[in-house]
Amino acid sequence: KNQVEQSPQSLIILEGKNCTLQCNYTVSPFSNLRWYKQDTGRGPVSLTIMTFSENTKSNGRYTATLDADTKQSSLHITASQLSDSASYICVVRPTGGNNRLAFGKGNQVVVIP
Amino acid sequence: DAGVIQSPRHEVTEMGQEVTLRCKPISGHNSLFWYRQTMMRGLELLIYFNNNVPIDDSGMPEDRFSAKMPNASFSTLKIQPSEPRDSAVYFCASTYFGGGAEAFFGQGTRLTVV
Repeated sequence: KNQVEQSPQSLIILEGKNCTLQCNYTVSPFSNLRWYKQDTGRGPVSLTIMTFSENTKSNGRYTATLDADTKQSSLHITASQLSDSASYICVVRPTGGNNRLAFGKGNQVVVIP
Repeated sequence: DAGVIQSPRHEVTEMGQEVTLRCKPISGHNSLFWYRQTMMRGLELLIYFNNNVPIDDSGMPEDRFSAKMPNASFSTLKIQPSEPRDSAVYFCASTYFGGGAEAFFGQGTRLTVV
């Protein structure tokens, strides 16, 4: 079973609308959780990072939340733009010397005009 | 820095041929990762190196896959012989090992084995 599960798998939203992506993980204990954005044909790029003790982190129109008790994270996109069309990947880094990141399969977002 | 550089960007090869993918990590980074991405399975870690030494290769599918890192600025992923099921996008990423350092990804190599 994958250690990081994301939902919805894909969604289509109208330009200007908001959306929220979900990430549930089982990695424990963990060092940090990142949301990456992957544009078509490109490598993933980090959007936000949160450690165990952080609850929320913003990067422009992107706001990530973290509930370490329920092992859930969300990424909220405000006032979506066409350039937000991408795959958003939740990545959890375990603690300790292990550098093996746990990846979700991503949320595919399509923003339409 | 130009970021993580991968080559080639696209590779189409016939089944049974040898394929070599190349990666130049960001200067100063001491960890390098090879990932494979497919629609069905998402991003999967194949192998990673710390200070040029392979640390975890449990993700390498089988003996047809091999990876080397002869120095801090270069790594290769080789598939021999290639099979159609190896078709995927292969990403290389580098980071500075320790704490919450971000992994920076290359543009990927799209491999198609026909």
